[in-house]
Formats: sequence, C-alpha cells, structure tokens
Amino acid sequence: GDSVTQMEGPVTLSEEAFLTINCTYTATGYPSLFWYVQYPGEGLQLLLKATKADDKGSNKGFEATYRKETTSFHLEKGSVQVSDSAVYFCAQVSSGSARQLTFGSGTQLTVLP
Amino acid sequence: EPEVTQTPSHQVTQMGQEVILRCVPISNHLYFYWYRQILGQKVEFLVSFYNNEISEKSEIFDDQFSVERPDGSNFTLKIRSTKLEDSAMYFCASREGSGYEQYFGPGTRLTVT
Repeated sequence: GDSVTQMEGPVTLSEEAFLTINCTYTATGYPSLFWYVQYPGEGLQLLLKATKADDKGSNKGFEATYRKETTSFHLEKGSVQVSDSAVYFCAQVSSGSARQLTFGSGTQLTVLP
Repeated sequence: EPEVTQTPSHQVTQMGQEVILRCVPISNHLYFYWYRQILGQKVEFLVSFYNNEISEKSEIFDDQFSVERPDGSNFTLKIRSTKLEDSAMYFCASREGSGYEQYFGPGTRLTVT
C-alpha cells in the first residue's frame, strides 16, 4: 500500500547550515507529493508541492525535486534560520478515491543561533 | 487569505463522554477531511467527506465516530463515547475540486481523562 518513509529526527543545525531531510514514497503510479511544516503549537502548513516527475517545488528558500527513479522527494534549504525550527512532514496523495494524504513520521528540526 | 478554522482549540473531557469538534473549511472547497495526531506520532487519516457523504474512512474511524455537515459552512466530528486513547490533536482539512493540496486548520487538542 501507500507509504511515506522519512528521515529519522531530531535534526539540530547551526544557523546558515545546509539542510536535507530525506523522504521516499511507495505508491502505484506517480502521486502528487507535498512537504508540510508544523511550527510549535500550530497546525500543518503547506510548504511546497510537486505534481509530477521531475517537478521542483519551492517556497521560502526550501526546495524538493520529485525523483521517480529513486521514488524520493528530499527537502533541502541552502541556509537555515532559527525561525525554520519546526517539524517537517512529507506526504503523498493516496491512491484511494478520496485522495487523502499519507504522511511520513515527521522530522523535528532545531536551528541554533 | 482564506483559512480553515477549528473550535475549540483545546477540549478536556472525561472518558465515556461525547465530544463534538467543529471546523469551518475554506468556503469554495468541496472535499473535507479529518486527521488525528497522537502526541509524537504521525498524522493519520480518519475520514473524508464529499457531496454530503463519507467518501472514505480508515480503520480508526469506527462506530464511535461520526461526521456531519449540518449547514453550508460547518463540518463536525463527533466521538460518541470517548476513550483514553482518543486523546490526540485532531486536524480538519479541505481542498478544492481541482488539485490535491489540502489546507489544514490549527487543530483541536482533545484530552480524555
């Protein structure tokens, strides 16, 4: 069935460091893929998306490229800020008729000044 | 910018009591969802709702759960007889008819004592 595997956390980086959070998916076909971010005490915010192979989603300096060969959608940012500290969730649209989202386990990122 | 809203933000209830969690999806959206997140775990799909009926539900969504769209704006999740293991953050989400990205509310933290 559909599943999303995400890099185990927590991840702690210094400000201005390079960030990669790995995400791989298992699905029939090529589902739309998303990254959501959850800041402390808040809900899930859509960070970026990609709807087909080789698409690159980007927002707020974050990027992720849909790689069908490796079934991956890794999140990257060149220079993280303290304000990026949050939990990041990779998600895919399920193959079910309701197109619900299947989430990875989430990766806690802490950026230190 | 339109957003999904949820009330209450925190609900404390005793085991065996009924609770109703409320959501107001984005006004022109057609698909509505409930998810839950037990503390420290991944976000899990509960149920989807379209055209005034359930379109899909997970194995978590048993007979203790029900959903309703009582008017043109509200979308509710009812738990008939709460159990300790129902303690979680409950998120409502909605999406338009086109595209698969879902927009989430801030969540309701349910604590069952």
